[in-house]
Amino acid sequence: QQQVKQSPQSLIVQKGGIPIINCAYENTAFDYFPWYQQFPGKGPALLIAIRPDVSEKKEGRFTISFNKSAKQFSLHIMDSQPGDSATYFCAASISGGYNKLIFGAGTRLAVHP
Amino acid sequence: GAVVSQHPSWVICKSGTSVKIECRSLDFQATTMFWYRQFPKQSLMLMATSNEGSKATYEQGVEKDKFLINHASLTLSTLTVTSAHPEDSSFYICSASPATGWDYGYTFGSGTRLTVV
Repeated sequence: QQQVKQSPQSLIVQKGGIPIINCAYENTAFDYFPWYQQFPGKGPALLIAIRPDVSEKKEGRFTISFNKSAKQFSLHIMDSQPGDSATYFCAASISGGYNKLIFGAGTRLAVHP
Repeated sequence: GAVVSQHPSWVICKSGTSVKIECRSLDFQATTMFWYRQFPKQSLMLMATSNEGSKATYEQGVEKDKFLINHASLTLSTLTVTSAHPEDSSFYICSASPATGWDYGYTFGSGTRLTVV
């Protein structure tokens, strides 16, 4: 019940394409859903996060879509660029305290020029 | 914004020796920090939750005597890998947040690449 399932494992798109990464969770107590971007040899960096009372959130070219009834959320990257090539992790947590993040397995994205 | 600094960035040590990794919150106080381990092409695995002034809480399967955590101040947590062996070679990352609630994300350090030879 603590798991967060992420797919696909890897993704290749052309520059300008819109890669979509999906995550699903079971624990209905989760109310904080962040996405992290990680480049090789670096720590993850927070991209965008959403709470379950909204269905969509946009920050720049990154959009989270959230479906509370299906317990699913996804990341869309608009107008993808080669510089977006990285590993993306979804996560879930319970807010209101210093609660641990439960991470998905990660998606390795390659954006070809 | 919240900044977490990790040191060293990489370290090579001989088998049987101990290595200390530091995690500092530079512009905020962190009563809680988290330590993760990441193998190549894998996700982050939470090792332990570090609490200022008290004992760390270790995840199931993590040897507390091997991975010593000390959170002696509100801005510093250390992870010591004792009697390191080649299988301990990995990427270690810490994280912290300046406040609770969903408005503040967890900031991660830049990671420490440990190689045990």
